[in-house]
Amino acid sequence: ETGVTQTPRHLVMGMTNKKSLKCEQHLGHNAMYWYKQSAKKPLELMFVYNFKEQTENNSVPSRFSPECPNSSHLFLHLHTLQPEDSALYLCASSRSAQGGKNNEKLFFGSGTQLSVL
Amino acid sequence: TQLLEQSPQFLSIQEGENLTVYCNSSSVFSSLQWYRQEPGEGPVLLVTVVTGGEVKKLKRLTFQFGDARKDSSLHITAAQPGDTGLYLCAGASTRPVPYTGNQFYFGTGTSLTVIP
Repeated sequence: ETGVTQTPRHLVMGMTNKKSLKCEQHLGHNAMYWYKQSAKKPLELMFVYNFKEQTENNSVPSRFSPECPNSSHLFLHLHTLQPEDSALYLCASSRSAQGGKNNEKLFFGSGTQLSVL
Repeated sequence: TQLLEQSPQFLSIQEGENLTVYCNSSSVFSSLQWYRQEPGEGPVLLVTVVTGGEVKKLKRLTFQFGDARKDSSLHITAAQPGDTGLYLCAGASTRPVPYTGNQFYFGTGTSLTVIP
């Protein structure tokens, strides 16, 4: 138990569906992230939120829409996805969005395994 | 984008054997982290190394940061089935303009299977 909970664990959707992924952290962290993990590729950073404000969008297609209503909750809204969007979507949190400092750690959820048909 | 290459990509060994996993880059990182990801779960942080040449030990796992802070290795002694998983290295480097602070850049991972 890392203190970061993601739902659902598995999701199958058609290309015309609309669905949302949910992430909740119980660690009192101020920064939350969405990562995409595909086979044979490094983890790709998608979005960064720091104190509820989006601070980074790594050229992610508009069919992915994040929402961060407060520091503990993060959503990823999905709309008209493509089969190549099938992947494991990981949520993570850290104390701040500075990252990389010697006492900064990323805490990951278990992920949502998404399949787009 | 900072590229981190991990080798080998796949490794299958017998219980009790030793192994080394490598994480290499042409970029310099301010720190480097190692994570282990078990099937169906997210990555879990194992260690952070900060100083060039630093060596850290975590029970049977030994982590080393290269002198130039461009590479790292993970050595496991007497591997056990519980060590099975995907090992990811992540280097911290300055975010590209206009962002501030650091960002983690992840390698592609080494998938380790320890056979009982």
